[in-house]
Amino acid sequence: GQNIDQPTEMTATEGAIVQINCTYQTSGFNGLFWYQQHAGEAPTFLSYNVLDGLEEKGRFSSFLSRSKGYSYLLLKELQMKDSASYLCAVKSGGYNKLIFGAGTRLAVHP
Amino acid sequence: ETGVTQTPRHLVMGMTNKKSLKCEQHLGHNAMYWYKQSAKKPLELMFVYSLEERVENNSVPSRFSPECPNSSHLFLHLHTLQPEDSALYLCASSSGQGADETQYFGPGTRLLVL
Repeated sequence: GQNIDQPTEMTATEGAIVQINCTYQTSGFNGLFWYQQHAGEAPTFLSYNVLDGLEEKGRFSSFLSRSKGYSYLLLKELQMKDSASYLCAVKSGGYNKLIFGAGTRLAVHP
Repeated sequence: ETGVTQTPRHLVMGMTNKKSLKCEQHLGHNAMYWYKQSAKKPLELMFVYSLEERVENNSVPSRFSPECPNSSHLFLHLHTLQPEDSALYLCASSSGQGADETQYFGPGTRLLVL
């Protein structure tokens, strides 16, 4: 079957660092995406990993281990505007098919 | 990314109504997608169109009928829906079908079926 797991909710303090984990079991793997979604808005693209290792993009970094079926999104120097849901998605199969996790709702407190 | 628009943003309909959701992308993309997002559930892929041809129908009930008249527009026609169909319906587009093609999402239509 296809399964993507991520924590339902997390809280963190402004200025801190938070790591959001994602584990996956899919029948195929062509890459892993992270999206950010503020309440009532469109999911917006954050990062893409297809090879093992860390991809850094400003305050956000994403890590992938294909052998472990594991990824994480690292957010540094947290800001209040980072309060949102973070969606992990695996590209599996043909036709650019994305399989999504249920999302992690992050609350950043002062 | 503001290149994908959806109308209406909110829709309330009865189970006997017929309505349509519209999606338009201004990014020059060739592939378009419909997703359903229910509360506390993962996004579910409904349909995929590539170059105006439907390439995937993810076991969606026939009361949902997609239409893609050209590569910039995508519709979702709704008829005799059920209350459990209430959800956020998201449209997305991508430049193609390559493994690293990023999908860009519209803001969604929040649908309530009474």
